[in-house]
Amino acid sequence: DVKVTQSSRYLVKRTGEKVFLECVQDMDHENMFWYRQDPGLGLRLIYFSYDVKMKEKGDIPEGYSVSREKKERFSLILESASTNQTSMYLCASSPGTPYTGELFFGEGSRLTVL
Amino acid sequence: KQEVTQIPAALSVPEGENLVLNCSFTDSAIYNLQWFRQDPGKGLTSLLLIQSSQREQTSGRLNASLDKSSGRSTLYIAASQPGDSATYLCAVRGEDNFNKFYFGSGTKLNVKP
Repeated sequence: DVKVTQSSRYLVKRTGEKVFLECVQDMDHENMFWYRQDPGLGLRLIYFSYDVKMKEKGDIPEGYSVSREKKERFSLILESASTNQTSMYLCASSPGTPYTGELFFGEGSRLTVL
Repeated sequence: KQEVTQIPAALSVPEGENLVLNCSFTDSAIYNLQWFRQDPGKGLTSLLLIQSSQREQTSGRLNASLDKSSGRSTLYIAASQPGDSATYLCAVRGEDNFNKFYFGSGTKLNVKP
């Protein structure tokens, strides 16, 4: 079974802190994604990566950056956390071939910024 | 722009009922459609994936159908159980941009014992 692991399930940070959210997948998937999920707003794409060191902005990249130094690991970075970044963050991965293309999610990281 | 709608937003049924969840999308140019389950405070669990060339997929008590031309998919749950209580989301993968997924807002299902 595909496993997408998010290192932290719950985090509490202070405004202005730098925050790292880590995600690792074990199925050699080319594509990895970071979403945030908020009540009433659904899932919104922050960034995605289609290869090592390759990234593209999603719908709401402001205030975030990402890093993909190894194929299995995709990190989301909040350079200076703000209260409006309090949210559920979901990492996902998917194979690169169009035909299969199933999307797999991690367990989520609930971030609270005080 | 693709829009994905799930109606109803919430559904409550007694245990044992067969039920249907609906997902509609506005642009039929899709690679595939995927159904997910989400428990409170957790991530999304993949239930079924239907490729654009397929009409349905089955897994245990779940059956998902796809009608691309009409922009509709249904998730059929047979003999519902309290453990089926969760939010069910559908997502379509865009044909024009393979890495673009469009999610519905979900149907929150409550199966009463």
